[in-house]
Amino acid sequence: GAVVSQHPSRVICKSGTSVKIECRSLDFQATTMFWYRQFPKQSLMLMATSNEGSKATYEQGVEKDKFLINHASLTLSTLTVTSAHPEDSSFYICSARVAGGISSTDTQYFGPGTRLTVL
Amino acid sequence: DAKTTQPTSMDCAEGRAANLPCNHSTISGNEYVYWYRQIHSQGPQYIIHGLKNNETNEMASLIITEDRKSSTLILPHATLRDTAVYYCIVHKLSFGAGTTVTVRA
Repeated sequence: GAVVSQHPSRVICKSGTSVKIECRSLDFQATTMFWYRQFPKQSLMLMATSNEGSKATYEQGVEKDKFLINHASLTLSTLTVTSAHPEDSSFYICSARVAGGISSTDTQYFGPGTRLTVL
Repeated sequence: DAKTTQPTSMDCAEGRAANLPCNHSTISGNEYVYWYRQIHSQGPQYIIHGLKNNETNEMASLIITEDRKSSTLILPHATLRDTAVYYCIVHKLSFGAGTTVTVRA
């Protein structure tokens, strides 16, 4: 159980285009999903926290107009990188937290990640 | 935010126990300690978590000190497939640099 999928697993796009990444919790409902970014040889950096049916909360320094997050259902969140540039090339990882528990005890389960390369 | 401190890297022998330490001296009373690992180019994998008591599951054991300021993840019989970066995390799942564990035959 507790499987999280991401699609696509890898995407290459031209500079200036937008890219959408999907994150799905396959066998559980997730009230909260998280989006992380990881550059080579670095740790994961939290970008934003997304609650179903409400606006995402972005971490300091993350542009909300560039990284659009939609969490329309309890099993799906999307991250759209708008007007992507080469510096946006990174490994994007989502995670989902099981619904219904106390926030400090809920475990997050991570997707396999999406490798974005902007040419 | 509570922060964690882990050794940068660790080698261990295949078949032996691997003990991974983590300091989290600023952890608050209701914060859990989580351990994840990340194999190259994959998403982090959940290992175990705990609050006060020691925990064990099919992957590992977690030993938490009585004052909760540190913990140790134990992989009882390390295999080559356990080679990964191991993250000890408290508040809000903020990831530090983790410990790069290399299991050698």
